[in-house]
Amino acid sequence: KAGVTQTPRYLIKTRGQQVTLSCSPISGHRSVSWYQQTPGQGLQFLFEYFSETQRNKGNFPGRFSGRQFSNSRSEMNVSTLELGDSALYLCASSSADRDTQYFGPGTRLTVL
Amino acid sequence: GDSVTQMEGPVTLSEEAFLTINCTYTATGYPSLFWYVQYPGEGLQLLLKATKADDKGSNKGFEATYRKETTSFHLEKGSVQVSDSAVYFCALRGPIQGAQKLVFGQGTRLTINP
Repeated sequence: KAGVTQTPRYLIKTRGQQVTLSCSPISGHRSVSWYQQTPGQGLQFLFEYFSETQRNKGNFPGRFSGRQFSNSRSEMNVSTLELGDSALYLCASSSADRDTQYFGPGTRLTVL
Repeated sequence: GDSVTQMEGPVTLSEEAFLTINCTYTATGYPSLFWYVQYPGEGLQLLLKATKADDKGSNKGFEATYRKETTSFHLEKGSVQVSDSAVYFCALRGPIQGAQKLVFGQGTRLTINP
């Protein structure tokens, strides 16, 4: 089975722009979670989608949003980018409730 | 809220040395516990897990035992290799049904010298 894939792998944006990141889960997985990784804050949970519904949300401003499609692929969007949004954004998928999460390679976002 | 505290790094060892990375947690109920590893430029890989008290997770020579009484999940390996150099994250997932959120420790960078 192919693993979790994330596109693009690298992205450079300027302040004020918006960005959309994509995540394709492992085939058959219905839950997709997103995490932000920074040197200062470590790994922080953004949100989780299950069967196209947002089930959990972390403590991030409303500029961070996401969605999930019927094929379980997920996107996250960050509007009005700030320098502090520079991070590695990781996506994880799992097959069922309470199952192990498998992570993708991440998208490295740099905001200039 | 739930939290995970890991041993501060970085940790530098010689090949074949014994490894311990400490991890303690704070959580309500009975969380599931995980160790993930991150190699340079990559995402997280699940190393091992334990879902209930006294469970021992093991993989690739690494072990960790879920200790409810000390709220700990320390990672150990008897003889490390250069290829074990990576960042290691301890994490928990709360016991609430429908909650896939992982709470991570700050990570411990491990370097193994030949």
